[in-house]
Amino acid sequence: AQSVTQPDIHITVSEGASLELRCNYSYGATPYLFWYVQSPGQGLQLLLKYFSGDTLVQGIKGFEAEFKRSQSSFNLRKPSVHWSDAAEYFCAVSWGDYKLSFGAGTTVTVRA
Amino acid sequence: NAGVTQTPKFRVLKTGQSMTLLCAQDMNHEYMYWYRQDPGMGLRLIHYSVGEGTTAKGEVPDGYNVSRLKKQNFLLGLESAAPSQTSVYFCASSSRSRKDEAFFGQGTRLTVV
Repeated sequence: AQSVTQPDIHITVSEGASLELRCNYSYGATPYLFWYVQSPGQGLQLLLKYFSGDTLVQGIKGFEAEFKRSQSSFNLRKPSVHWSDAAEYFCAVSWGDYKLSFGAGTTVTVRA
Repeated sequence: NAGVTQTPKFRVLKTGQSMTLLCAQDMNHEYMYWYRQDPGMGLRLIHYSVGEGTTAKGEVPDGYNVSRLKKQNFLLGLESAAPSQTSVYFCASSSRSRKDEAFFGQGTRLTVV
């Protein structure tokens, strides 16, 4: 069965430190890959996406993600986090059938 | 530029009551979706629609019905609410040309007591 795994439920990071959120997916074909962010009480906002081409993609708010086919991974990174980055982050995958499968999410806490 | 709008934003129901959640999008998108979000489980697809007059089941369709009578609207119905349906519900839409890039509403927090 197709699945999306976010191994880290909760990450705490100091303001100004780097952040990396992990995402792995199952299934053989190369999917379309997304990262969404959800601030408390809000809907989901698209941070970035990968469809094809360059495996390092840039998104909004200073985030980037790298697609690694050999590891079936699409990890999200930010070099220096801000207090406003505290939120829940979701990795999502589509296998071209216009339906998204989501990971369980990673909650990011930023400490001063 | 409203995007995807969900009504209501909050609702408390008693077990056995019925209600309808409304989703409206103004982007002329062909595809629309209903998801539920539960702690530790991410978002799970309830039902979706690929066009006006068509609907299909997603991952967790039991206890829900949907209708897409107009292209811009997608309704989610609960005929007899159960406590297990306490959740946050999100509607999303996407276009035929960029069908995998979904835009989400702000969510509806539903509590069934």
